[in-house]
Formats: sequence, structure tokens, C-alpha cells
Amino acid sequence: GDSVTQMEGPVTLSEEAFLTINCTYTATGYPSLFWYVQYPGEGLQLLLKATKADDKGSNKGFEATYRKETTSFHLEKGSVQVSDSAVYFCALGGSNYKLTFGKGTLLTVNP
Amino acid sequence: EAGVAQSPRYKIIEKRQSVAFWCNPISGHATLYWYQQILGQGPKLLIQFQNNGVVDDSQLPKDRFSAERLKGVDSTLKIQPAKLEDSAVYLCASSSQTGSGQPQHFGDGTRLSIL
Repeated sequence: GDSVTQMEGPVTLSEEAFLTINCTYTATGYPSLFWYVQYPGEGLQLLLKATKADDKGSNKGFEATYRKETTSFHLEKGSVQVSDSAVYFCALGGSNYKLTFGKGTLLTVNP
Repeated sequence: EAGVAQSPRYKIIEKRQSVAFWCNPISGHATLYWYQQILGQGPKLLIQFQNNGVVDDSQLPKDRFSAERLKGVDSTLKIQPAKLEDSAVYLCASSSQTGSGQPQHFGDGTRLSIL
């Protein structure tokens, strides 16, 4: 079945540092890939998405590229801010239209 | 547009009691989802509705969980009787269409604690 593996957290960075959160997936067919962000006490918010190979999703300085050859969708940001502190989830939208989530990565950015 | 509304935000009950959660999706969204998010894990789909019909309930523990969406708009999820392992955040989400590329919009969730 479909599955998502993302890097274990927590990740702690200083403000303006470079961020990478790794995500790899297993799926049949041609899934869509998503990154969601969850701030404390809130639901999940869509951060970015990509629907086919080589697509790059981007939003709020975050980027991720759909790499079919390596089955990956790594999240990157060049300069993180304290306000980026949250839990980040990689997710796969499969042929059954169901979202399969990774376990989440807690990011803490210190001033 | 108004987001997905859920209530209550928090609920504390004792094991073997019953509890119900309510969700009102974004206006016009035909697809509604209920997820269970256990602490430290990603959300797990419990049930998916398309209008008022069930599309997928393969991971819903049907001996104790039930859900309905009678008029194809708002939905309720019930647990009866609750077990300790049901302690989690229950998230409702909706989307305008069904498709692998369609984003889902989430409510803030109901945090359930079982004593």
C-alpha cells in the first residue's frame, strides 16, 4: 500500500538557517504530493503541493520538487524564521483519493 | 470563505462513556473526511464521505465508531463506548472535489482525553 517516510525530528535551527526536511514515498500509479503545516493547537494547513513528476511546489519561501526517480519530495527553505516553528507533514494523495501522511517533523526555530 | 468548523474543541470523558463530535465543512465542499491523530503521529483516515454517501470506511473501528452525514453537509462522529486508546485529536477535513491532486482543508480538531 501507499506509505510516506519523513525524517525524524525534532529539528532545531537558528533563525536564518537553511532547512531541509526529507520525505520519501511508496505508491502505485502517479500520486500527488503535499506538505502540510500544523501550528500548536490548530488543524493542518496546506503549505504546497505538486501533482506530477518534476513539478515544484512553492509557498511562503518553502519549496519542494516531485522527484519520481528517487520517490522523494523534500521540503526546503533558504532562511527560516521563528514563526516557521511548527510540525510539518508530508502527505501522498493516491489513486484512491485518500491522503496518506508521514509521522510529522517538529521544527523549532530559535531567535 | 469560512473554514471547516468543528466542535467541541476539547472533551474529557471516562472510558466506556460515549462522545460525539460535530463538523461543518466549507460551503459547497462535497467531500468530507474524519481523521484520527494520535500524539506524535500523522493523521489517519477514519471515514470519507462524498455528499451523504460513504466512500471509504475501511479503517473505522465499526464496533465502537459511527459517523453520519445525513443531508450531505455537516457530519457527526460518535464513539460508544470509548476506550483509553481513543485519546487523540479528531480532525475533520473537506475538499471541493475528489481527486488525488485536490487539497483538503482541515478544521482545528477536537482533542479527546479518556480517563
